[in-house]
Amino acid sequence: DGGITQSPKYLFRKEGQNVTLSCEQNLNHDAMYWYRQDPGQGLRLIYYSQIVNDFQKGDIAEGYSVSREKKESFPLTVTSAQKNPTAFYLCASSATPNSNQPQHFGDGTRLSIL
Amino acid sequence: AQTVTQSQPEMSVQEAETVTLSCTYDTSESDYYLFWYKQPPSRQMILVIRQEAYKQQNATENRFSVNFQKAAKSFSLKISDSQLGDAAMYFCAYRQKSSGDKLTFGTGTRLAVRP
Repeated sequence: DGGITQSPKYLFRKEGQNVTLSCEQNLNHDAMYWYRQDPGQGLRLIYYSQIVNDFQKGDIAEGYSVSREKKESFPLTVTSAQKNPTAFYLCASSATPNSNQPQHFGDGTRLSIL
Repeated sequence: AQTVTQSQPEMSVQEAETVTLSCTYDTSESDYYLFWYKQPPSRQMILVIRQEAYKQQNATENRFSVNFQKAAKSFSLKISDSQLGDAAMYFCAYRQKSSGDKLTFGTGTRLAVRP
């Protein structure tokens, strides 16, 4: 079945450590997105990519980095510069940017600090 | 910048009854999309319904319908014949057509369904 796979489901980070969250899609979608969800808040956009080898900062990009070397993959690295990384992270994709097609979401990764 | 406001943090409905969730947004654009997403306890985001701003007709998907009031910048979701499986967080989201597909979300409404 086509869809978006996020791994791992749960992740723990030590102080000063970088961690990478995986997001893979087999929907042949051009655009991919990373969102952060905190309790009592909606989803906030971290980074997005409309095409391979290109990506843009979202509203809360500080302390995060991404790459888009392949169409199907858009990993998110939470760096040690992100001082409050504990949150639920959701990856999404859409067929093409600026179309009327909705975004499809993965099942998320919960990141916690040890 | 666009903002989306959901003024009801929690709502409750009796099974088989109807409930309406509110959403307002702020934008200076004339052409955009609006969405309602459902997030059950599994945390997966599921698209419920979408509306294109240039379409005056309100979108409908089975038991789900919207009341889109463009001048008032209001986009409420009506759930008819509520079922226990409708219990979830519901998020309203806005997308400007020229924004590169970025979604702006509200803070969500938690819906409880009483048996």
